[in-house]
Amino acid sequence: AQKITQTQPGMFVQEKEAVTLDCTYDTSDQSYGLFWYKQPSSGEMIFLIYQGSYDEQNATEGRYSLNFQKARKSANLVISASQLGDSAMYFCAMRESRAGGADGLTFGKGTHLIIQP
Amino acid sequence: DSGVTQTPKHLITATGQRVTLRCSPRSGDLSVYWYQQSLDQGLQFLIQYYNGEERAKGNILERFSAQQFPDLHSELNLSSLELGDSALYFCASSRTGLNTGELFFGEGSRLTVL
Repeated sequence: AQKITQTQPGMFVQEKEAVTLDCTYDTSDQSYGLFWYKQPSSGEMIFLIYQGSYDEQNATEGRYSLNFQKARKSANLVISASQLGDSAMYFCAMRESRAGGADGLTFGKGTHLIIQP
Repeated sequence: DSGVTQTPKHLITATGQRVTLRCSPRSGDLSVYWYQQSLDQGLQFLIQYYNGEERAKGNILERFSAQQFPDLHSELNLSSLELGDSALYFCASSRTGLNTGELFFGEGSRLTVL
């Protein structure tokens, strides 16, 4: 089973509209972290936002917010007032504690977001 | 600028050859991670090092190997290259042991195998 599922391979959104990118995850850990990264066409991976499994409030960073629903194991990214520069691939990722202290990120397959003028 | 440096940025080579990708983590980060990004497989975790020791292995082929040196920089060695090894290889670093810490990614090394 996939650990991170992003069900939207691609999305077209009108500029200035809000966007919700879906992410569901699978873990049996109580302590874990959820991340969103942005990858523009230039290729670099840009950290956007983080949500801890014990955080009671949804994380926000500027125009980005994370709609965290723990019982449903979902961690959707919301971008308010989208801009042309938001066009990029968006990856949801999870960080768990693993045997031997390993703690890397597991990524979903990504959503390709295109903002239209 | 994430503070993670990867070289080379682009590399073109032929099948059967061997290449080495280099990564310098952010100052103070002890953990280094290698990821492979290809169109069909997405972002795949390859291997993690912590303070010079291998900590976790992901989907890393036997033809690939890595190490982390005492100065904490890391190298990923890819040998007997095949066309399918063409991909973007990312190095990332972090403060380890914390689920709260983001990974800081380098700009990647784009490998093309002809």
